[in-house]
Amino acid sequence: NAGVTQTPKFRVLKTGQSMTLLCAQDMNHEYMYWYRQDPGMGLRLIHYSVGEGTTAKGEVPDGYNVSRLKKQNFLLGLESAAPSQTSVYFCASSLFSGDEQFFGPGTRLTVL
Amino acid sequence: AQTVTQSQPEMSVQEAETVTLSCTYDTSENNYYLFWYKQPPSRQMILVIRQEAYKQQNATENRFSVNFQKAAKSFSLKISDSQLGDTAMYFCAFIEAGNMLTFGGGTRLMVKP
Repeated sequence: NAGVTQTPKFRVLKTGQSMTLLCAQDMNHEYMYWYRQDPGMGLRLIHYSVGEGTTAKGEVPDGYNVSRLKKQNFLLGLESAAPSQTSVYFCASSLFSGDEQFFGPGTRLTVL
Repeated sequence: AQTVTQSQPEMSVQEAETVTLSCTYDTSENNYYLFWYKQPPSRQMILVIRQEAYKQQNATENRFSVNFQKAAKSFSLKISDSQLGDTAMYFCAFIEAGNMLTFGGGTRLMVKP
């Protein structure tokens, strides 16, 4: 039981490049989330999904897109990376909205 | 908008002593959930404790307990017999039914030997 995994762990991009972050969970959770954490701050929700084929915007969705084609996977895309998107990205999943969220190990992204 | 406030950016405690971290939140709802998450230097987010607002009894998990004051909208975390491994950032978080989890700004706790 791997829990929540994220790929890659580190990435450096140049401004304007695109990339996709992959999140996978093996707990059969309905809800999945993408957060960003900037230095010295708490996590802020980017997008989330309440089930396969559904996505919704969080607090800071601009510049990001997501897809949930399979229940166990939640992809976060950056179409044209900007330095303001330099951050640590966390994926999480939960059984229902008020339940414990299980977090992945995070992806450190640097945009130059 | 949901807000969660942690008024102590940094705290320190001697090993084996007790420390209390503060958290306040704002809501007009009656049904919601509260959490404390720990983030050690490894960066992994780990659930410490969870409280359901409709339960009057304070949640406890071994050395960790909360003081949930619903009328005051306060949710403090008490760590007893502090250990060096408790050194971490601690985040208070709050969610109303059908809404998003909102995190506070965090409290950096240092346990000193």
